[in-house]
Amino acid sequence: DIIMTQSPATLYVSPGERASLSCRASQAVGRRLAWYQQKPGQAPSVLFFGASARASGIPGRFSASGSGTEFTLTIDSLQSEDFAVYYCEQFDAWPRTFGQGTKVDI
Amino acid sequence: HVHLQESGPELVKSSGSLFLTCTVSDASMTGFYWTWVRQTPGGALQCLGYAHYSGTSKYTPSLKGRINISVDSSTNQFSLTLFSVTAADTATYYCAASNGDNSFDYWGQGIPVTVSS
Repeated sequence: DIIMTQSPATLYVSPGERASLSCRASQAVGRRLAWYQQKPGQAPSVLFFGASARASGIPGRFSASGSGTEFTLTIDSLQSEDFAVYYCEQFDAWPRTFGQGTKVDI
Repeated sequence: HVHLQESGPELVKSSGSLFLTCTVSDASMTGFYWTWVRQTPGGALQCLGYAHYSGTSKYTPSLKGRINISVDSSTNQFSLTLFSVTAADTATYYCAASNGDNSFDYWGQGIPVTVSS
């Protein structure tokens, strides 16, 4: 299985600041990577697919980049509703695998 | 907008079978890969497998032999059966849909399942 490693486990930021989240794959996955946001008590929801393609309705302060084994999710000017857990997921190889998540906290 | 809703028992006895159903609204059953994902109490997400209306299915190797996912286009539902469950199968189970081999664009709200001895 491809192992997805996210860092840091928890990121402490203040509203209005920028947050950068990292996701590393144990082997190359091309651009076949998605980012999800999960708020307490809710299902994950897709932010990006194809490594950097923003899903419908996702605000422009969210951006994503990367390919191969290194990927980054950036949130500019954090809003209160952005405090959540973020997961990356590769769908290049079966089984599809998720990172363990990064919690963005105040 | 595609809507997914899980249903089934939230308490299952150890060594028994877990059976969950996902009801799909506002979508054709032919258009998506219908998937089950679970989340452990610690937060880890695991893709269990998917089925397509054509009959194709794929399961995560660690569960092979214990899992079945099927699609019923006549009722707009798909289901998960997990056999010989143990406490390690305690999790919140989500049904999800992807447009082909792509991101999970749609998710159900999730159903917590506890395996008890």
